[in-house]
Amino acid sequence: GAGVSQSPRYKVAKRGQDVALRCDPISGHVSLFWYQQALGQGPEFLTYFQNEAQLDKSGLPSDRFFAERPEGSVSTLKIQRTQQEDSAVYLCASSLLTRLAGVKDTQYFGPGTRLTVL
Amino acid sequence: DAKTTQPTSMDCAEGRAANLPCNHSTISGNEYVYWYRQIHSQGPQYIIHGLKNNETNEMASLIITEDRKSSTLILPHATLRDTAVYYCIVRVRLNAGNNRKLIWGLGTSLAVNP
Repeated sequence: GAGVSQSPRYKVAKRGQDVALRCDPISGHVSLFWYQQALGQGPEFLTYFQNEAQLDKSGLPSDRFFAERPEGSVSTLKIQRTQQEDSAVYLCASSLLTRLAGVKDTQYFGPGTRLTVL
Repeated sequence: DAKTTQPTSMDCAEGRAANLPCNHSTISGNEYVYWYRQIHSQGPQYIIHGLKNNETNEMASLIITEDRKSSTLILPHATLRDTAVYYCIVRVRLNAGNNRKLIWGLGTSLAVNP
C-alpha cells in the first residue's frame, strides 16, 4: 500500500496568513504524529493522535498551532497568523500501534511540507 | 532535549562498511534506540531499532554496548545512495496514551565517496 502522504509539498505564506497542512497516514494506522524540522536540525515532536483523540500536544510552540484528526484518519495542522520563525519542514508520521506498542511500533514518515513565511 | 550525541560528519568509501557511532549515556532502561536516515529533501526513513541485544536486518546492523550507553550502526557495504544524514534517536514515553515519541539529535552527515 501507499505510504504517508502530505500536501502541499511546498507552501509560501506571507507573514500573518493562516496555513493548513494535510497528512494522509498509512491506512489502518492508529497513531499519528506531527514533527517540526528547522533547517539543519533534527525533527522536534509537536503533537500526537491516537485515532481521533489528541493525547499529547506538549510540543506545539504556541496557541497559533492547532491540529485535528476528526475521523481518525486524515490530519490537518493549522498555523494561524504565521511568523517567520514558523518556517520549517513539517513532517507527519504514522504507526500501527499494536498491542505490543513500545516494542514493534515503528513510525513511518511522509515527505514533509516545506513552509516558508516571508 | 536530545538524548544522543553523534559526530557531525563522516566519510566512507563506496563498497566499504560504514560504522556510525552514537552516545546515549542518559538512556533509561526501557527506552529503545532507533536509527533513521534522511536523504536531502525527503522524509526520514526507518532503518533499525533495538533495546539491548544486537539487531540485524536487510539494511543494517545495530550493535549496542552492554551498558547501553552507546551504539553503532553498521552499513556493511555502503553505496552512493547511502549518502544521507543518519539520526540516532531515543524513543521515550508520551505524556499520555500507550505510545512513544522520538527525541532526535542533529545526526551524522554521511558522505559515501566513489
